[in-house]
Amino acid sequence: EAGVTQFPSHSVIEKGQTVTLRCDPISGHDNLYWYRRVMGKEIKFLLHFVKESKQDESGMPNNRFLAERTGGTYSTLKVQPAELEDSGVYFCASSYRRGQGRVGEFFGPGTRLTVL
Amino acid sequence: GQQLNQSPQSMFIQEGEDVSMNCTSSSIFNTWLWYKQDPGEGPVLLIALYKAGELTSNGRLTAQFGITRKDSFLNISASIPSDVGIYFCAGQKGGSEKLVFGKGTKLTVNP
Repeated sequence: EAGVTQFPSHSVIEKGQTVTLRCDPISGHDNLYWYRRVMGKEIKFLLHFVKESKQDESGMPNNRFLAERTGGTYSTLKVQPAELEDSGVYFCASSYRRGQGRVGEFFGPGTRLTVL
Repeated sequence: GQQLNQSPQSMFIQEGEDVSMNCTSSSIFNTWLWYKQDPGEGPVLLIALYKAGELTSNGRLTAQFGITRKDSFLNISASIPSDVGIYFCAGQKGGSEKLVFGKGTKLTVNP
């Protein structure tokens, strides 16, 4: 079974440009999460989808970030326009529910974004 | 915002030694998780703890969910070179799906 995949693995862009990151969760996982790790800091939650619905977007830094999950399958995270402080590693994770509990939290390899 | 204080920040040990790292918080968590991240990879779940006082093992790894629900530790016994990586603790509060992560412990094992 394929794991969580993310594309691209690396992205280097200039300040002011737009970048779109993609995440393909594990097939059948309704829950999809985006996290970000800025250099030397902790991994921080950005948002959570249940299928195509945004369940919690309390971690989104500002309105330059837009996440979508059309059809409840893959998700995209767009940064427009990118700023220097957006540099970091963006992780996607997925999980499924069994009864009342969430089972598994499988992370993708991350996209390393560098904004120059 | 919520914070998990993870220590130590880094460790340099000899192969065969035991390792201990911990996370503390000023607030209560319902679930504690420990992850390991290898270079170029995403975090991989090692151990999940769901009940205060719970002690769980996974091979040479042992983790405990503190009684106060505000802390957790991870022990690695008889370390080997492939234990090298960054270890993260993460907590989850009741009623919330998001994970709160510590800053990580970078482990180096000298053969």
